[in-house]
Amino acid sequence: DAKTTQPPSMDCAEGRAANLPCNHSTISGNEYVYWYRQIHSQGPQYIIHGLKNNETNEMASLIITEDRKSSTLILPHATLRDTAVYYCIVRVVPPNFGNEKLTFGTGTRLTIIP
Amino acid sequence: ETGVTQSPTHLIKTRGQQVTLRCSSQSGHNTVSWYQQALGQGPQFIFQYYREEENGRGNFPPRFSGLQFPNYSSELNVNALELDDSALYLCASSSQGQGRSYYGYTFGSGTRLTVV
Repeated sequence: DAKTTQPPSMDCAEGRAANLPCNHSTISGNEYVYWYRQIHSQGPQYIIHGLKNNETNEMASLIITEDRKSSTLILPHATLRDTAVYYCIVRVVPPNFGNEKLTFGTGTRLTIIP
Repeated sequence: ETGVTQSPTHLIKTRGQQVTLRCSSQSGHNTVSWYQQALGQGPQFIFQYYREEENGRGNFPPRFSGLQFPNYSSELNVNALELDDSALYLCASSSQGQGRSYYGYTFGSGTRLTVV
């Protein structure tokens, strides 16, 4: 079962910052928070991940609360191409960068409005 | 750098038939995972292959099987197809092992399977 809770849908005006929340109140100390998105008819695309510090890359920023029970993905200047389903996932990354399965929930359907 | 390629893109099969789906992993990746995505749902993990062996399996029956080849490409086989097997089947490649950097899974665009 997915360990995260996300709103089913959100709208955001084009050019504005899109803030997507995620609750993961049962997260363990060794679990990371990952965000993926899935644009219609494509496979999920990795966006960003973090453990406890805020992270930023060319796509987005990830803000994780101090107690790590929730996080927010921020798309700073949303465009129409950001319309997609966004998945928040928690998972363990073993020390040797081994692989574990990704447990997806139903995600948040983000619609960018012109 | 090539991404993950899946074939075919669409497929229609009859209940009871068998199907084989194919996946070519991203260059430099040695692990392949398969996911099933029903309409309106998130992807569900089927299994993962590493070094040509199954390396973890989700809650899917044995009629779902797979292979990984020396070039790290993979096949997903489904026997005795049922109507509920209609879904988007996604392949994801990644790297594992000591010294490898982690950049996340790279997913293909999937194969849309319809069972009638």
